[in-house]
Amino acid sequence: EAEVAQSPRYKITEKSQAVAFWCDPISGHATLYWYRQILGQGPELLVQFQDESVVDDSQLPKDRFSAERLKGVDSTLKIQPAELGDSAMYLCASSAQGESSYNSPLHFGNGTRLTVT
Amino acid sequence: GDSVTQMEGPVTLSEEAFLTINCTYTATGYPSLFWYVQYPGESLQLLLKATKADDKGSNKGFEATYRKETTSFHLEKGSVQVSDSAVYFCALTPTGGFKTIFGAGTRLFVKA
Repeated sequence: EAEVAQSPRYKITEKSQAVAFWCDPISGHATLYWYRQILGQGPELLVQFQDESVVDDSQLPKDRFSAERLKGVDSTLKIQPAELGDSAMYLCASSAQGESSYNSPLHFGNGTRLTVT
Repeated sequence: GDSVTQMEGPVTLSEEAFLTINCTYTATGYPSLFWYVQYPGESLQLLLKATKADDKGSNKGFEATYRKETTSFHLEKGSVQVSDSAVYFCALTPTGGFKTIFGAGTRLFVKA
């Protein structure tokens, strides 16, 4: 079964440094999501792409976070500078696009666990 | 705005006990409703879904019915196993929208 690929699996960085996460969605999935999951909480949407366009980034802290999906396939999420409060699991997900795309479930990658020291 | 509220955990049960995890939602129109499960050390995966009122989603012995009148989507299983120990997330996607909103999750421990 096709999977969403993410790397790295773990990242430890010092505060004020820059970090980047990569995601490759399931082939053919037009919608790509970046979620942040703080320990003990549910995933919170940071940014959502439809092909290469951002459709929702209302919860993305744009002063330090950026995301791109230049060719509408894989995506990169960057944090610069990292802060202690950014320590969390960063999950990428993708879903198929269809006439009733809101019915389509999300397929999650294994995530990147970020620790900021 | 749209939101999902689920019962706080952890829930601790003995093997073969009956499970209910409550989930209620706030949304306009007719959202799609989902249960996702996160096993220890793994990422989230879809457990079941329902896309319209009175639909029942089912998978692996778990069931949930979309109740529009009570805005609920409670997860049930008649006989839990140790292997069901995980965190369960209720989620919704609004009508015509794309943004999937998750509840805080309910951790389930099943004792042998």
